[in-house]
Amino acid sequence: LAKTTQPISMDSYEGQEVNITCSHNNIATNDYITWYQQFPSQGPRFIIQGYKTKVTNEVASLFIPADRKSSTLSLPRVSLSDTAVYYCLVLYNFNKFYFGSGTKLNVKP
Amino acid sequence: ETGVTQTPRHLVMGMTNKKSLKCEQHLGHNAMYWYKQSAKKPLELMFVYSLEERVENNSVPSRFSPECPNSSHLFLHLHTLQPEDSALYLCASSREHAGNTIYFGEGSWLTVV
Repeated sequence: LAKTTQPISMDSYEGQEVNITCSHNNIATNDYITWYQQFPSQGPRFIIQGYKTKVTNEVASLFIPADRKSSTLSLPRVSLSDTAVYYCLVLYNFNKFYFGSGTKLNVKP
Repeated sequence: ETGVTQTPRHLVMGMTNKKSLKCEQHLGHNAMYWYKQSAKKPLELMFVYSLEERVENNSVPSRFSPECPNSSHLFLHLHTLQPEDSALYLCASSREHAGNTIYFGEGSWLTVV
């Protein structure tokens, strides 16, 4: 079972770049790394997914080193509305998604 | 709008009641899930259905009974629940291949009194 480890919480200020790192030492060859965002009282929302190197979309970038034992979610120029819990997910099995504790990001004015 | 719809959004029930949560996905996915999220706890995977067959049952008490009549619908039947079962219950769906993504509904807030 590929377990993930993330910081419990992070603080940032508006306009800053935020990097959240996730460790997944037991990641398997076929596993993908996916990040989700969850606001209070809502279901988690897909942010970005990657397998190796770097992936970028309109909201975030995902950096994955060659050994794939960690990954870093990068949020450029965060705003107050980015305050949420961010989950790193490593696909254990093609239909078994297990979530860790997540990182609570608090963006301050 | 994620393509996964849950009803009701809020439910209050007594410990002797029988109620059901409903989930419907409009994404053509083959796998559906129930998760439980209690206050200050990680998401807990409860059940997984793949092509209408249950493939995962993570030691969930029998007072929670899932039903998947077809690949688009998933129910969670609730019977004689306890106050500690009060939580946000999230339904999700995904395709079945490597690198697929899981899509969540907005959740059903359950309060057991």
